[in-house]
Formats: sequence, structure tokens, C-alpha cells
Amino acid sequence: KQEVTQIPAALSVPEGENLVLNCSFTDSAIYNLQWFRQDPGKGLTSLLLIQSSQREQTSGRLNASLDKSSGRSTLYIAASQPGDSATYLCAVVWSDYKLSFGAGTTVTVRA
Amino acid sequence: GAVVSQHPSRVICKSGTSVKIECRSLDFQATTMFWYRQFPKKSLMLMATSNEGSKATYEQGVEKDKFLINHASLTLSTLTVTSAHPEDSSFYICSASPTGMGQPQHFGDGTRLSIL
Repeated sequence: KQEVTQIPAALSVPEGENLVLNCSFTDSAIYNLQWFRQDPGKGLTSLLLIQSSQREQTSGRLNASLDKSSGRSTLYIAASQPGDSATYLCAVVWSDYKLSFGAGTTVTVRA
Repeated sequence: GAVVSQHPSRVICKSGTSVKIECRSLDFQATTMFWYRQFPKKSLMLMATSNEGSKATYEQGVEKDKFLINHASLTLSTLTVTSAHPEDSSFYICSASPTGMGQPQHFGDGTRLSIL
């Protein structure tokens, strides 16, 4: 069964600390993997998309890595700020183009 | 580019009412549109996939007579929750893709549905 898991479900860090968010998936045959941000009661903001042929993507303070063989992706957020507080969702597009979301990691950055 | 507009953003209505949610692709033609449902503190679950001009494909466990999906044009899909009940209260998000493969997907801002 194609599943996406995100652990931990919640994370609280002091401002300035680096964030490490984990995503694991059960099938290495993926098309791409995407990280989203979701603020409470809001829609999805796309952060980074990694194609299956890529190992990482970077945008500003964000860096996402992809290891298909181990079925893992990690989202790093450097020097966290209170404005980074949100839920971060990992989404995998499988080789059949179906998309599965993880349950998300809710991040709180304390000022 | 690739903007998807979802309307309304919030609906509060009485039990038994039918509610229609619209999903529009503003600057591209959406060959494929998707509807997702999100329960509190849970992930988004795919409800159905629709291709323009054809019947929607529903995921297992989703009642097609309860959740009517129409994809009548390349820029508009609608989800109608028929005879809504409190258990239908949820956050509904649509996405649209310019390709038949369904990738990439561009997401709307979601609709918060509350049934009293």
C-alpha cells in the first residue's frame, strides 16, 4: 500500500534553531515529492518540489532532500522564525501519478 | 501563473441543505481536477478525480451520490454536497492540472464547510 508518514506530528523549537522535518514513503517508485505549508484554516502553499531524478532542492532558508532508495525526504529550515509556525505537509506523487499526503508536522517556533 | 480559485471559502448551513463548491483554473486549462477532504489534524484524502467532459472517478469509500462532481469545462469543476449533515463538515480543497496525467497539481485555498 502506498503510504506517506510524517514524524513527529508536532514540534516546538525556540527561535533561531534549525528545523528538521521528516517524511517517509513506502514505495521507491515515485514521480516526484513536494513539501507544502498550511496555515490554520488555510489552503496549501507549495514550498519545494523534488523530481524523482533529483536529490535535493533549495529555496532560501529551505532545503529538501530526497533518498528514494530508503524512502525518505527531509525538509530543513534554517534559523527558524516565529513566522515559520505552521503545518508542513509532505506529498508524494507515485509512478501512477496518484498523489498521497502525509498527515503533516505542526511546527511552533517560540519567540 | 497557475492560479486556482475556490469559492466559497467558508460555508455555514443547516443540516439537509445541498452545498455547491466551485473550483476554477484562472490562467490555464485544467484537463484534470481533483477534490480532497481534510479532517482536523489529519492529512488530505483524495475523494475523486475528474476529467473534463467525463464522469468523475471516486476513491473507495466516497459516496458518489452524496458528493456530486461536475467538470463541465476546462476551467471549472464543482463539488456538490447533497443533503449535507454535520458529519460532512470538513475542509474541502480542490486542485487542477493542465495535463491528463494529473501533474503538476495546483491547489485552491479550500472551503471550510460547517453543517449545523
